[in-house]
Amino acid sequence: DAGVTQSPTHLIKTRGQQVTLRCSPKSGHDTVSWYQQALGQGPQFIFQYYEEEERQRGNFPDRFSGHQFPNYSSELNVNALLLGDSALYLCASSFIDRGGYGYTFGSGTRLTVV
Amino acid sequence: QQPVQSPQAVILREGEDAVINCSSSKALYSVHWYRQKHGEAPVFLMILLKGGEQKGHEKISASFNEKKQQSSLYLTASQLSYSGTYFCGTERGSQGNLIFGKGTKLSVKP
Repeated sequence: DAGVTQSPTHLIKTRGQQVTLRCSPKSGHDTVSWYQQALGQGPQFIFQYYEEEERQRGNFPDRFSGHQFPNYSSELNVNALLLGDSALYLCASSFIDRGGYGYTFGSGTRLTVV
Repeated sequence: QQPVQSPQAVILREGEDAVINCSSSKALYSVHWYRQKHGEAPVFLMILLKGGEQKGHEKISASFNEKKQQSSLYLTASQLSYSGTYFCGTERGSQGNLIFGKGTKLSVKP
């Protein structure tokens, strides 16, 4: 059973450019959440998608946007990249009604902005 | 509100025990625990729900004090494979988002 798949694994972009990161959730999961993890820090919540809509959003600027497709996969877009956007971006999938179950994380996309 | 974890780092010998704490200033619905090894994805370990339900691994246990909004993760008879950074994540609702602490780095030496 495939877990959460993220692509690409690594990415180098220049300041001001735009980037798109992709995520395929674990089979059966209908909800995708995106997190940003700076070096040595805990993951920070960006936003969550369910039924192709953004349900919740963390404290991130509008430069960060996303999309969820009918097959539950998701994209994270970041516009006008800043040096401070360099981080590991994690995708986590789950059921919308998780009950006693946690999130399944992907291995992440390491974004470096130069 | 980000939960506070303590200690920030722990060094153990194989077979020793450890306790990692997580506290929040807000009323919580659940507390999650994850372990992340260097360069890898966080892996779900345990969830503690308001009301006392608990799910997770056999060799790792945890408690959740709802009145104090505190949770503790207990690692007994540690193994080398326990090394990694442990994160607690807190939720304020059943469909809420997960807010993570800064992590506790655990190193188990032979």
